[in-house]
Amino acid sequence: DSGVTQTPKHLITATGQRVTLRCSPRSGDLSVYWYQQSLDQGLQFLIQYYNGEERAKGNILERFSAQQFPDLHSELNLSSLELGDSALYFCASSPTGGSGSSYEQYFGPGTRLTVT
Amino acid sequence: AQSVTQPDIHITVSEGASLELRCNYSYGATPYLFWYVQSPGQGLQLLLKYFSGDTLVQGIKGFEAEFKRSQSSFNLRKPSVHWSDAAEYFCAVGFEGMEYGNKLVFGAGTILRVKS
Repeated sequence: DSGVTQTPKHLITATGQRVTLRCSPRSGDLSVYWYQQSLDQGLQFLIQYYNGEERAKGNILERFSAQQFPDLHSELNLSSLELGDSALYFCASSPTGGSGSSYEQYFGPGTRLTVT
Repeated sequence: AQSVTQPDIHITVSEGASLELRCNYSYGATPYLFWYVQSPGQGLQLLLKYFSGDTLVQGIKGFEAEFKRSQSSFNLRKPSVHWSDAAEYFCAVGFEGMEYGNKLVFGAGTILRVKS
């Protein structure tokens, strides 16, 4: 158990809908990352938040957005869903520290999204 | 651009045999290096990490990895594979620089099959 929690575990929804995925980081971690994993694209970095502020952005679609709240939990919002958005979505968190430790990411169990 | 290459998509080894999974990166300086393991339907678990110092690092589950600067490689090894090691293995690299945040760039993964 990494200490990172994600809800829900599974989500099935229809095209055009909007969903929200939730992540709680490990205790004390200020950074939260979101990743999408699919068979054809592999593991893709979407976005990073650090203490409530966006820190880095990856291949995140405009239909997707995220935020990190004062209690440090994060939500990933996916809207106007398409079949191709079906994937595993992972959240990770990392500690604050010098040199490499701030890159040391701990992953949650993921949310499996199926768009029908 | 910074990149991470895992040249082997699949590897099959016999139980009890030794294992080496390859990872190469493209970066001008020494990055932060990680190996993760993912069992089917599960999140990613951190196996080991390299930040600096001794180039041979030990991790969990009997794995080790060696950083070779001259080859820009960080190969994962295990002297004797167990059937429970069957999983997908990801090499990940953290590159310093504000534009990257603390994100990790992942290789495409290597699926390990263990035959009895």
